[in-house]
Amino acid sequence: DAKTTQPPSMDCAEGRAANLPCNHSTISGNEYVYWYRQIHSQGPQYIIHGLKNNETNEMASLIITEDRKSSTLILPHATLRDTAVYYCIVRFGSGNTGKLIFGQGTTLQVKP
Amino acid sequence: DAGVIQSPRHEVTEMGQEVTLRCKPISGHDYLFWYRQTMMRGLELLIYFNNNVPIDDSGMPEDRFSAKMPNASFSTLKIQPSEPRDSAVYFCASSLRDRHNSPLHFGNGTRLTVT
Repeated sequence: DAKTTQPPSMDCAEGRAANLPCNHSTISGNEYVYWYRQIHSQGPQYIIHGLKNNETNEMASLIITEDRKSSTLILPHATLRDTAVYYCIVRFGSGNTGKLIFGQGTTLQVKP
Repeated sequence: DAGVIQSPRHEVTEMGQEVTLRCKPISGHDYLFWYRQTMMRGLELLIYFNNNVPIDDSGMPEDRFSAKMPNASFSTLKIQPSEPRDSAVYFCASSLRDRHNSPLHFGNGTRLTVT
C-alpha cells in the first residue's frame, strides 16, 4: 500500500473550517484514499473515502487533486468534539487484501 | 446494531499469566481485524480473518500471540505467557466485505496492562 504523509498537528478555531492535508505521491490507480479519526480512548471512526472524484457526506468533504498525489479533508464547521487524531490511508479498492495500515496521523486541536 | 463489542474493557494481569481478549463483530460482517495500539508504535494490524479463516497473520509479534475465530460472531486474541511489553490497547474491527466502499467498524478496545 502507498505511504501517506501528514503534518503531525494542526489547530483550528471553533466554527471555522478545518483543512487537513495528506500527501500520497506513490498512490496507484486502484488505490482509494480513506480518512479515519480517533477521539481519545475510543476506536478509530470512519469518516470518508474516495478514488478520484471529490466526495462529501454528513461529516466531511474530501478533495483529491487531479494527479491524485494529495488530498484534503475538510470539516466545514469544526466543533470542540472534532478534536482528534485524523488518519489518511490509501487502500486497495479490490483484490485479496482488506488491510488498513495506519500512519501517525494529524492531531487536530479545535480551540474555542 | 450494537457495533463491534469487545471485552473486557480493561485487563490488568501479572507477567506470565494468560490473557484472553474477546470480540463480537457486527452481525453479517465477514472480515474481522485485530489491531494493537501503543504510544511508540501507533496502530498496528496483528491479524485479520475472512469468513472465519485467518488470511494474514504477519503482524502477530511472536508465538505467544494466537487468534481464533470459531464462528462468525466471535473471535479471541490470546497472549500466553504475557509480558509487560504487551501492555497496549487492543482493538477489534469488522467490515462487510473487502470492497472499497466497506469501511472498518472498530470496537472501543481492551486496555491491557501487564505488570
